[in-house]
Amino acid sequence: EVQLMESGGGLVQPGGSLRLSCAASGFTFSSYAMSWVRQAPGKGLEWVSTISGSGDNTYYADSVKGRFTISRDNSKNTLYLQMNSLRAEDAALYYCAKDGDASGTDRRKIHFDYWGQGTLVTVSS
Amino acid sequence: SYKLTQPPSLSVSPGQTASITCSGDKLGNKYACWYQQKPGQSPVLVIYQDTKRPSGIPERFSGSNSGNTATLTISGTQAMDEADYYCQAWDSSTVVFGGGTKLTVL
Repeated sequence: EVQLMESGGGLVQPGGSLRLSCAASGFTFSSYAMSWVRQAPGKGLEWVSTISGSGDNTYYADSVKGRFTISRDNSKNTLYLQMNSLRAEDAALYYCAKDGDASGTDRRKIHFDYWGQGTLVTVSS
Repeated sequence: SYKLTQPPSLSVSPGQTASITCSGDKLGNKYACWYQQKPGQSPVLVIYQDTKRPSGIPERFSGSNSGNTATLTISGTQAMDEADYYCQAWDSSTVVFGGGTKLTVL
């Protein structure tokens, strides 16, 4: 059974930093791209970042580029999101999501077949 | 940046067909997928690569994608289908979500 468990959320002041983690199990972690998707309270889904299975390729939304860094440790089956220079607009529930496309060769096919329960990030002074 | 546009809301009677649209420039040249999200829950994939249905998703869910519009169709809509629905595609090295459609079954 595929399981994704996020952790690391919490309250942080504007300008502060936070590192989110996502522990994965039930599949060959290194074979799949992984992503972070966030959802502000009462709002829609917003893609944050994606990393390839090997970790060689990363992609970011313009809203977080230069402030957030996605990474993964395939030996620990864990995905990370380092968030720096946090702003009020970064406050959201952050989900980790698994790409359903095993090949990963055609990024157009990306779709998220499993999601975690999310970890809440609050940015406030 | 690329944009996907969905109607904010849609109402349908039980047993009727619900069609939720997602519009984007030349969307038919990309792959569209759809997620269902119920209050307090994580999103669930219901359609991927335009027309494919993940295991466990009822047959009443189907998808199409042509021209500038992708459509999620729910045939014989049930009360349990009341939820928010989001389309998603990949463009220029980014994942793009539509704004979401709140489906009400009444």
